Amino acid sequence: DTAVSQTPKYLVTQMGNDKSIKCEQNLGHDTMYWYKQDSKKFLKIMFSYNNKELIINETVPNRFSPKSPDKAHLNLHINSLELGDSAVYFCASSPQGATNEKLFFGSGTQLSVL
Amino acid sequence: AQSVTQLDSQVPVFEEAPVELRCNYSSSVSVYLFWYVQYPNQGLQLLLKYLSGSTLVESINGFEAEFNKSQTSFHLRKPSVHISDTAEYFCEDTGRRALTFGSGTRLQVQP
Repeated sequence: DTAVSQTPKYLVTQMGNDKSIKCEQNLGHDTMYWYKQDSKKFLKIMFSYNNKELIINETVPNRFSPKSPDKAHLNLHINSLELGDSAVYFCASSPQGATNEKLFFGSGTQLSVL
Repeated sequence: AQSVTQLDSQVPVFEEAPVELRCNYSSSVSVYLFWYVQYPNQGLQLLLKYLSGSTLVESINGFEAEFNKSQTSFHLRKPSVHISDTAEYFCEDTGRRALTFGSGTRLQVQP
């Protein structure tokens, strides 16, 4: 069974549209993350939630809104998509968000904005 | 500011040759260092980590890394690479988890 699963794997859409990416983890972890990986492979954290509460909120446009209905899910909603949003988005989780824990990553969602 | 520097964006190497992927950190808080590997079209997977104790840590597939506090480095090494090691490698310093991944090093193993 997949530990961290995110859907869809590929997402192609037009500028200005609103889209969502879903993430679920079945590891019983308390902490979940969203990362953005650009075309140069640079990986940057966007958000972190611990038990449904927002912990980390990096400099991300307000068009991006994470939602955590329960600690096993962290979805990412993006409004008014722009060309620069094209990237691979990774969901990840860790047991409690402690700095000595490894991260468990999903396989990524490749978003292409046309 | 980014606390991890991976000095090489790409490292081409021939199969069975040794390789070193460089990582320097700058965190002034307690240091936990990780190396992750990303194979094409996949998410990152943990390769090895340093939390405390022995400064030399090893992975199950022949990679090792040494924590060097005086040089603030955590370089990744393998004495003999395989084609299957071709991937992107990321160093992480969790002293500040928000901005801690290096920019990645693309290891390209050639036959």
